[in-house]
Amino acid sequence: DIQMTQSPSTLSASLGDRVTITCRASQSISNWLAWYQQKPGKAPKLLIYKASSLQSGVPSRFSGSGSGTEFTLTISSLQPGDFATYYCQQHSAYPITFGPGTKVEIK
Amino acid sequence: EVQLVESGGGFVQPGGSLRLSCVASEVTFSRYWMSWVRQAPGKGLEWVANINQDGSEKHYVDSVKGRFTISRDNVKNSLFLQINSLRGEDTAVYYCARVPTSGWFDPWGQGTLVTVSS
Repeated sequence: DIQMTQSPSTLSASLGDRVTITCRASQSISNWLAWYQQKPGKAPKLLIYKASSLQSGVPSRFSGSGSGTEFTLTISSLQPGDFATYYCQQHSAYPITFGPGTKVEIK
Repeated sequence: EVQLVESGGGFVQPGGSLRLSCVASEVTFSRYWMSWVRQAPGKGLEWVANINQDGSEKHYVDSVKGRFTISRDNVKNSLFLQINSLRGEDTAVYYCARVPTSGWFDPWGQGTLVTVSS
């Protein structure tokens, strides 16, 4: 199975901050990586697919990069609605696996 | 915009069974792979199962193989998950999700809670 890790597990930041979350795969997954945002009590929401493609309707302050085994999600200027938990997910091979999540908190 | 609505969750004793359902609002339901993903209370996301457009290809995470069965009814725009031999570790919110193209999930339903306890 492909193991996904994320760092940090928790991130404290202020409004307007630039935030970067890292996701690593235990083996190469090319660009078969997606990022999701989840708020408490809500379903996850797709932000990025194929490592760097912005899902329709998602603000342009969100961006993704990387390939192979290392990926990043960047929020260029943190907004109030961005405080949430973020998950990466690989779909290069079954079983599909998610990272453990990164919680973005208010500093 | 497509909407997915799950139902069928509830409280069940260990060893019991449930059948989860997910109804899609779109007429193009039959064009897409579909998935179930679960989330235990306070924990992360775990993919459970996928099914292709006509139901001929299915994939499962190892922990549910032999106990869970994914199926679909394209006439009724519906996805199902039959869950048998339930264990405490199956307690989770179960989400259905559409697989637009290559394996990411969008959109997701609101989820249905399955609680396994004696």
